[in-house]
Amino acid sequence: DAGVIQSPRHEVTEMGQEVTLRCKLISGHNSLFWYRQTMMRGLELLIYFNNNVPIDDSGMPEDRFSAKMPNASFSTLKIQPSEPRDSAVYFCASSAGGTNEKLFFGSGTQLSVL
Amino acid sequence: QKEVEQNSGPLSVPEGAIASLNCTYSDRVSQSFFWYRQYSGKSPELIMSIYSNGDKEDGRFTAQLNKASQYVSLLIRDSQPSDSATYLCAVPKTGGSYIPTFGRGTSLIVHP
Repeated sequence: DAGVIQSPRHEVTEMGQEVTLRCKLISGHNSLFWYRQTMMRGLELLIYFNNNVPIDDSGMPEDRFSAKMPNASFSTLKIQPSEPRDSAVYFCASSAGGTNEKLFFGSGTQLSVL
Repeated sequence: QKEVEQNSGPLSVPEGAIASLNCTYSDRVSQSFFWYRQYSGKSPELIMSIYSNGDKEDGRFTAQLNKASQYVSLLIRDSQPSDSATYLCAVPKTGGSYIPTFGRGTSLIVHP
């Protein structure tokens, strides 16, 4: 298995532009997490899906952020319009579900908004 | 109080020494606890999990859990320069959904 696959690895954009981050889960996993990591705030949960359904989106900063899971293996995180304070590393992680399941992280997307 | 707290460090130890990393959590009913290692520029990877009070050993790593004190630690014996990384403590939220909450991590530097 190729693991969790994220794209792009790096994204540089200008303020106001739309940004779309993509994630492919590990086959058979039913839980999907989007995290954002910064030096100041560490690793913060943005949204959690279980069986394609958003369960907890309390970490989504504001309406500029949206996430979808159109099928069991793929998810997108969209920022529109982007702002410089959105600059961070965005990680997607999946798990097989349950309280004792480990998370498998993708390699992350380094986003820079100028 | 943050849900999961760690000293950000850096913690600097000489090669061959024992590195001790600590984590406290606020949810008294938490049942499972995880340690992830994150090398610079890379993604976190799980290295240890612990569910019961006491110690759990895996090679050079030992996880220690004290639920009464809401405290979990990670000991690394015979530290190697390759252990230099940030160590993240993760505690799932309780109350229905399994959502790991991460501490900010402790940076460990093992110098030769």
